[in-house]
Amino acid sequence: GDSVTQMEGPVTLSEEAFLTINCTYTATGYPSLFWYVQYPGEGLQLLLKATKADDKGSNKGFEATYRKETTSFHLEKGSVQVSDSAVYFCALQDSQGGSEKLVFGKGTKLTVNP
Amino acid sequence: GAVVSQHPSWVICKSGTSVKIECRSLDFQATTMFWYRQFPKQSLMLMATSNEGSKATYEQGVEKDKFLINHASLTLSTLTVTSAHPEDSSFYICSARLRYTDTQYFGPGTRLTVL
Repeated sequence: GDSVTQMEGPVTLSEEAFLTINCTYTATGYPSLFWYVQYPGEGLQLLLKATKADDKGSNKGFEATYRKETTSFHLEKGSVQVSDSAVYFCALQDSQGGSEKLVFGKGTKLTVNP
Repeated sequence: GAVVSQHPSWVICKSGTSVKIECRSLDFQATTMFWYRQFPKQSLMLMATSNEGSKATYEQGVEKDKFLINHASLTLSTLTVTSAHPEDSSFYICSARLRYTDTQYFGPGTRLTVL
């Protein structure tokens, strides 16, 4: 079945450091890929998405490129801020067969220190 | 916009009792809502998909008689955990799909503890 594997956390960085959170996937079809962010005490929010190979999703300085050859969708940000501290979830949606099901990774907790 | 609320945010109950969790889309209509369960340090696992006015579709391994889902209107879905036991203790999260899009908006979750 479909699955998502993302790097184990927690990740602790200093402000203005470079961030990479790795995410790889396994899917039978041609999935859409997502990054969700969960700030403390809040629900998951869509951060960015890509729907086909070589698409780049971007938002709030975060980027991720859909790499079909490596089945990856790594999240990057050039300079993190304290306000980026949150849990980040990689997810896929394999719409083959009309399913809307989202399959999530385990989440990576990011802490950014001043 | 696109805010989803859940009530209650946390609940503690005795073993054998039933607990109802509400999920509301506050500023949009949601023909489809989803219920997830999250264990500590684990990913969200989809439990069921509910469409307004029809029966929910449960994922494999989820007991439909234990986790009753009702989606009576375009803005409200409820999850009732019947005869709860300690192993049902978990974080339950709902999401709602904005009509005519593929984007899901998530609620903040409900922490259930069964004693």
